Amino acid sequence: AQTVTQSQPEMSVQEAETVTLSCTYDTSESNYYLFWYKQPPSRQMILVIRQEAYKQQNATENRFSVNFQKAAKSFSLKISDSQLGDTAMYFCAFMKAFGNEKLTFGTGTRLTIIP
Amino acid sequence: GAGVSQSPRYKVAKRGQDVALRCDPISGHVSLFWYQQALGQGPEFLTYFQNEAQLDKSGLPSDRFFAERPEGSVSTLKIQRTQQEDSAVYLCASTPPGSHEQYFGPGTRLTVT
Repeated sequence: AQTVTQSQPEMSVQEAETVTLSCTYDTSESNYYLFWYKQPPSRQMILVIRQEAYKQQNATENRFSVNFQKAAKSFSLKISDSQLGDTAMYFCAFMKAFGNEKLTFGTGTRLTIIP
Repeated sequence: GAGVSQSPRYKVAKRGQDVALRCDPISGHVSLFWYQQALGQGPEFLTYFQNEAQLDKSGLPSDRFFAERPEGSVSTLKIQRTQQEDSAVYLCASTPPGSHEQYFGPGTRLTVT
């Protein structure tokens, strides 16, 4: 079974600063996907960024980037130039590459951007 | 285009009542997932459909929970004889063919009193 751990229940940062959210996971799989999802107070879960485990290059999406360390089973999210709209719960999630494509989520990090 | 929709958005049920929660996935999406999200927690997998076939129901917490997707489109999650511990947000997600990205609906918040 896979587990995902997010050790930072809450974080806050000033607008325009950079913040890094941590995530570690445990799996015996060699091929898998990792995701960061954002859940604003309205509750709709939105995909922020994804990483394929077989790719060494870290994924980036505009102000969002990841630091994927496969050997350490670490997958952190960096948000640059943070904006008020980034305020949300952030969930790290794991998916096996083959078979049931269910997501295994961490417990989330509540991020608040301070004006 | 339209996203994943769920209804009702809010449901209050008295303990012991049966409830039915509906999910309308994005048109053409083959895979459909149900998750349960307790307050302050991450979503937890309940069940998974590929078209009309329920391929995994290992996450359903008890035999009071039942899900169906008879025509491979709309899905219904039914909870019989609701208990207080069933109070949660129930999320539905769908995935287009060949993709691993799950598109989530807004969820149904179920409160059992």
